[in-house]
Amino acid sequence: KAGVTQTPRYLIKTRGQQVTLSCSPISGHRSVSWYQQTPGQGLQFLFEYFSETQRNKGNFPGRFSGRQFSNSRSEMNVSTLELGDSALYLCASHRGGGLNTEAFFGQGTRLTVV
Amino acid sequence: EDQVTQSPEALRLQEGESSSLNCSYTVSGLRGLFWYRQDPGKGPEFLFTLYSAGEEKEKERLKATLTKKESFLHITAPKPEDSATYLCAVPDSGGSNYKLTFGKGTLLTVNP
Repeated sequence: KAGVTQTPRYLIKTRGQQVTLSCSPISGHRSVSWYQQTPGQGLQFLFEYFSETQRNKGNFPGRFSGRQFSNSRSEMNVSTLELGDSALYLCASHRGGGLNTEAFFGQGTRLTVV
Repeated sequence: EDQVTQSPEALRLQEGESSSLNCSYTVSGLRGLFWYRQDPGKGPEFLFTLYSAGEEKEKERLKATLTKKESFLHITAPKPEDSATYLCAVPDSGGSNYKLTFGKGTLLTVNP
């Protein structure tokens, strides 16, 4: 069974640009969540999508946005990039239902803003 | 606000030297506690879910336990390949099981 796939693996962008990251969840998983990981703050929740609807949102500015498609694939977008946005962006998919809420993570996208 | 604190921040062991990692949490109405392993440059790998105090889960040299205030990850006779950052996380006490609060992790190094 294929795991969570994130593309691209690495990105280098310039301040002020925007970026789109992609995530394909495990087949059959309908919930996708996104996290930002930095050395100082650790893993921080960005948002979660289920059936194309954002159900939860973390404490990040509006420059961070996302969406989910009907096939459960998800994208996140960061506009007007800042140096502090440099991080590992992780996508996770959840089987969902009852207590089965374990998050299964992809390899992440390493974003560097210069 | 939900808080998850892991200790120690870093732990260096000799191969075969058993030890424990701690994860303490302040969450109202715990609905599970998750342990993950993360290797450098990779995403976290799911290890265990614990749901109630007294519960234990085992996998190879790892055993996770849960009390009402903390969880322990016991590592028995570790090997160099167990070197990684170990993370614990809890679901948001606000009601969503899909929004996790993570601790900062324990960086474990096992020397041969």
